[in-house]
Amino acid sequence: GAVVSQHPSRVICKSGTSVKIECRSLDFQATTMFWYRQFPKQSLMLMATSNEGSKATYEQGVEKDKFLINHASLTLSTLTVTSAHPEDSSFYICSASLTRKETQYFGPGTRLLVL
Amino acid sequence: RKEVEQDPGPFNVPEGATVAFNCTYSNSASQSFFWYRQDCRKEPKLLMSVYSSGNEDGRFTAQLNRASQYISLLIRDSKLSDSATYLCVVNDDYKLSFGAGTTVTVRA
Repeated sequence: GAVVSQHPSRVICKSGTSVKIECRSLDFQATTMFWYRQFPKQSLMLMATSNEGSKATYEQGVEKDKFLINHASLTLSTLTVTSAHPEDSSFYICSASLTRKETQYFGPGTRLLVL
Repeated sequence: RKEVEQDPGPFNVPEGATVAFNCTYSNSASQSFFWYRQDCRKEPKLLMSVYSSGNEDGRFTAQLNRASQYISLLIRDSKLSDSATYLCVVNDDYKLSFGAGTTVTVRA
């Protein structure tokens, strides 16, 4: 199957700092990438959908100025959590697909802890 | 109301047992359905798609009831390695909605 990587796998940062998470499709070109967040014992919640070369579409309640998404190439999307606060601590997972309608392949996730 | 609801469990079963659980979804127009498996602190992995006529994949059987808007998963002859959280996933216009998961623990 298709392989998606995320970096870093884990990050601890101080409150107020910004954190960038990378999502890469290693063996296919992903027109669409999705960013999810999962709090403990809760479901994955879609945060935003990004299409290569265009602005991301954010889900209701997700602040686009706080969660900056860049999908500048067909193999890389980044999520930047700006001015992170403890409540942003979560498991962030990306997925990638050839097109919006195709199967999504999930990355291994990034665990963010904001102190 | 949540889009996808699941009994969180946990279901604690001995090896070899059969375990079954359901999920319900709120959007009657949902197009496709899946079961994913998520191990502790890992990403979800696709277990199987769910088809209207019901389908089997080895020891796993999935059923879909569109009229009642529920999906089921049955695991036969449970193995220790089946211990995981099983996520019910619904595709609405190519956006995936995840349930919070049903935890299954298989004991020796």
